Amino acid sequence: LAKTTQPISMDSYEGQEVNITCSHNNIATNDYITWYQQFPSQGPRFIIQGYKTKVTNEVASLFIPADRKSSTLSLPRVSLSDTAVYYCLVVLYNQGGKLIFGQGTELSVKP
Amino acid sequence: DAGVIQSPRHEVTEMGQEVTLRCKPISGHNSLFWYRQTMMRGLELLIYFNNNVPIDDSGMPEDRFSAKMPNASFSTLKIQPSEPRDSAVYFCASSTGSGTGTPYGYTFGSGTRLTVV
Repeated sequence: LAKTTQPISMDSYEGQEVNITCSHNNIATNDYITWYQQFPSQGPRFIIQGYKTKVTNEVASLFIPADRKSSTLSLPRVSLSDTAVYYCLVVLYNQGGKLIFGQGTELSVKP
Repeated sequence: DAGVIQSPRHEVTEMGQEVTLRCKPISGHNSLFWYRQTMMRGLELLIYFNNNVPIDDSGMPEDRFSAKMPNASFSTLKIQPSEPRDSAVYFCASSTGSGTGTPYGYTFGSGTRLTVV
């Protein structure tokens, strides 16, 4: 089972770029990497997903090196509203795409 | 699209009572997941369905918990009898996953906050 490891917490300031790195040493060939964001009293929200190299959408970028044993979520120019918990997960291809959540990274953005 | 709809939003019940949580997935989504979130244990996957069939219920804590999906637009999670340690936020999520790992994102509901006293 591909377990993910990410920092428990990070601090940043408004306008900065934030990079959260996640390790997933046991990722299987067909598994994808996905990131979710969760605000207090809300369900997690899908941010981005990728298999290798780089993926970018309107919210974030995801960088995955060739060996796929780690990934980095990049949030450009964060604002106070980006304060949330960010989860790195491996989508388990051979188990129906189910998601197993770890502890996540609590990002705090300060003025 | 109204998203994944869960009811009730809050539930307070006495120990020993039966509790039923409800979920309406997004139309067209064929996978449904039930999660439980607590401070101590984080987000735990309880059970998931694909095309209304339970695929993996290994996360269901014990026989007091049961889940059903009678059709593509409705699922229930029942706890009978409830205990104080069942207090948590219960989330339902749906996706277009086909059961073969198709990597589409989940959409989560707003959750049901359950308090058992």
